[in-house]
Amino acid sequence: DGGITQSPKYLFRKEGQNVTLSCEQNLNHDAMYWYRQDPGQGLRLIYYSQIVNDFQKGDIAEGYSVSREKKESFPLTVTSAQKNPTAFYLCASSLDYENIQYFGAGTRLSVL
Amino acid sequence: QKEVEQNSGPLSVPEGAIASLNCTYSDRGSQSFFWYRQYSGKSPELIMSIYSNGDKEDGRFTAQLNKASQYVSLLIRDSQPSDSATYLCAVTVFSGGYNKLIFGAGTRLAVHP
Repeated sequence: DGGITQSPKYLFRKEGQNVTLSCEQNLNHDAMYWYRQDPGQGLRLIYYSQIVNDFQKGDIAEGYSVSREKKESFPLTVTSAQKNPTAFYLCASSLDYENIQYFGAGTRLSVL
Repeated sequence: QKEVEQNSGPLSVPEGAIASLNCTYSDRGSQSFFWYRQYSGKSPELIMSIYSNGDKEDGRFTAQLNKASQYVSLLIRDSQPSDSATYLCAVTVFSGGYNKLIFGAGTRLAVHP
């Protein structure tokens, strides 16, 4: 069953803590993306990766970090430097950077 | 000026009517245009893509693109209560060496029986 899997579905972060959101795809897509969605707003790009071992900052990368060691995986770490992390985080992938993006089910992050 | 603008709604239409959703964009160089549907608490799912001026039909959905006016729309015929969702317009913008997808804030559609 092909698709994009994000985990966990819900995540709670304590102050000063780093947390990592998982994103795995078995679509053989080259490009992967992380977005943040706040209520009543559109999606904002955090990081993207066009190929393994390469990634670029998006519009709101401060306080976040990523890695792309495998084609299938693009984990996002929300660091303690991100002061307002509460949001809905969406991972997407596309066949290459020009093609249609498909989304995972999302992770909802809240602060305790 | 926002790069992709949509009326936030809600747009309320009766069941069976045509729902018309509109989107304007600021970058004249944009080449690809997408409509995503997002149910409350869920992730966006692709409804339509359009790349050239004119109309593109897929079932009850029609996407319309007018690059001269920098305008893209989505028509939903025979609207059903299950169409009630937020519809996101997304446009590619070439920035920083790659095509970035810019999303509007979405239009909330409510189809009432």
